Amino acid sequence: DTGVSQNPRHKITKRGQNVTFRCDPISEHNRLYWYRQTLGQGPEFLTYFQNEAQLEKSRLLSDRFSAERPKGSFSTLEIQRTEQGDSAMYLCASSANNEQYFGPGTRLTVT
Amino acid sequence: AQKVTQAQTEISVVEKEDVTLDCVYETRDTTYYLFWYKQPPSGELVFLIRRNSFDEQNEISGRYSWNFQKSTSSFNFTITASQVVDSAVYFCALQMNSGYSTLTFGKGTMLLVSP
Repeated sequence: DTGVSQNPRHKITKRGQNVTFRCDPISEHNRLYWYRQTLGQGPEFLTYFQNEAQLEKSRLLSDRFSAERPKGSFSTLEIQRTEQGDSAMYLCASSANNEQYFGPGTRLTVT
Repeated sequence: AQKVTQAQTEISVVEKEDVTLDCVYETRDTTYYLFWYKQPPSGELVFLIRRNSFDEQNEISGRYSWNFQKSTSSFNFTITASQVVDSAVYFCALQMNSGYSTLTFGKGTMLLVSP
């Protein structure tokens, strides 16, 4: 296992459409995090899973956002009714302890 | 609440110059971790270092060194003899020991190293 992978790497969608991103963490990492990074900013925390349980959600995660980690392995992040303000890089990280290892991210562009 | 401030938005240096990236943090907790990540143009965040709040020893790794000063809540990062490949955005981040270990990032410093 070479690291955290994310798919797709790029997604262009029209406003109002739904999109889903996937994250495959480093195997045996029980912790999984989603962050969002907008241009010129550092990543901002969105949500956290320990195994399959979603234990924390940021206030940034509006009701249009939902995340799952059904079997405690890969995770999906879905955005419904996308808005232009959702355009950002969505980063996934996994961890077995305090060190988080990040994937390459999915860059979302909403037109 | 915790906060990380990277006051330098962009730094430009010529190859072989030394450069220091500043990081100041705020937290009320006594136990926490500090990190530096590198984000090259490809976009992936690369882990560089983790330091816990009880270890104030400076660390050196090749051309990289870190100066942690609890008294001033700073965790500065120095690159010695910079190279073009060091060009990237560098993020400082704070992680609490309590809760779910989420990271609070600064806004990053873009380092441009020209030949």
